[in-house]
Amino acid sequence: GAVVSQHPSRVICKSGTSVKIECRSLDFQATTMFWYRQFPKQSLMLMATSNEGSKATYEQGVEKDKFLINHASLTLSTLTVTSAHPEDSSFYICSARDFQALSRDLTDTQYFGPGTRLTVL
Amino acid sequence: GQNIDQPTEMTATEGAIVQINCTYQTSGFNGLFWYQQHAGEAPTFLSYNVLDGLEEKGRFSSFLSRSKGYSYLLLKELQMKDSASYLCAVPMPYSGGGADGLTFGKGTHLIIQP
Repeated sequence: GAVVSQHPSRVICKSGTSVKIECRSLDFQATTMFWYRQFPKQSLMLMATSNEGSKATYEQGVEKDKFLINHASLTLSTLTVTSAHPEDSSFYICSARDFQALSRDLTDTQYFGPGTRLTVL
Repeated sequence: GQNIDQPTEMTATEGAIVQINCTYQTSGFNGLFWYQQHAGEAPTFLSYNVLDGLEEKGRFSSFLSRSKGYSYLLLKELQMKDSASYLCAVPMPYSGGGADGLTFGKGTHLIIQP
C-alpha cells in the first residue's frame, strides 16, 4: 500500500521555540494531506487540511498563526508549531489521500504517517 | 455535528472471535472507516464501507447498516498481536463526494488474553 513518512519521529524542545514537522507521500501524489493531533488516551482530532498550492483549512479552535502549514509540492506538507508551549506537547500525525486509488479501486483511503511525538519543556 | 460511539475497552481470548461495535450520527454519509492503532504508533487502515452489508478481508470483516447508523468490526482467530485500539471514523461532511478529514471515535482498546 501507499507509504507516508514523517520527520522527525520525536522532538523535544524548549518553550517558546518553533518546531517543523515534515510529512511526505513516498510513492504517490497527494494533493490533500491532513494534520491530526492526539493527546494521551484521546482520539485523533483533525487540526487542518493541507491543499497543494493553496491555503490550509483549519478546524474550529485551531490557531492558524500558531500552526503554520505549507503544502509546497504534491508529496510534501509541513506543519510548523510556532512559539511552542508545554500544552502543545502531543502526538502529531499526518495523513494523505491517494486519489489514484480512489479511481482505480473505488476505495477512498487515507494513509497515515508514523507520527511525531512533540514534547515541549 | 458528528458523533461516534464505541466501547472503551474489550477483552477476548486468543483464538476466539470478537465483535467491536460502532454507532454514528453524521449528516451526508460518505462511508465509514476502521483503523487499528498500536500504542505510540499511527493508525493503519483496516476497512472502508460505503454500502450496507458485510465486507470480509481475511481474519477481519466489517459490517455497515446505514439506516441504523451502525457498524461493527469482526476479528476472527484472534492473535496476541491483535491487542490494540480499534478506531471507527467517518468523513467530515464538507463537500459532497469523497472523504475529507476524518472524525474519529475514541477507540476501543482490545486486550487479548492467552
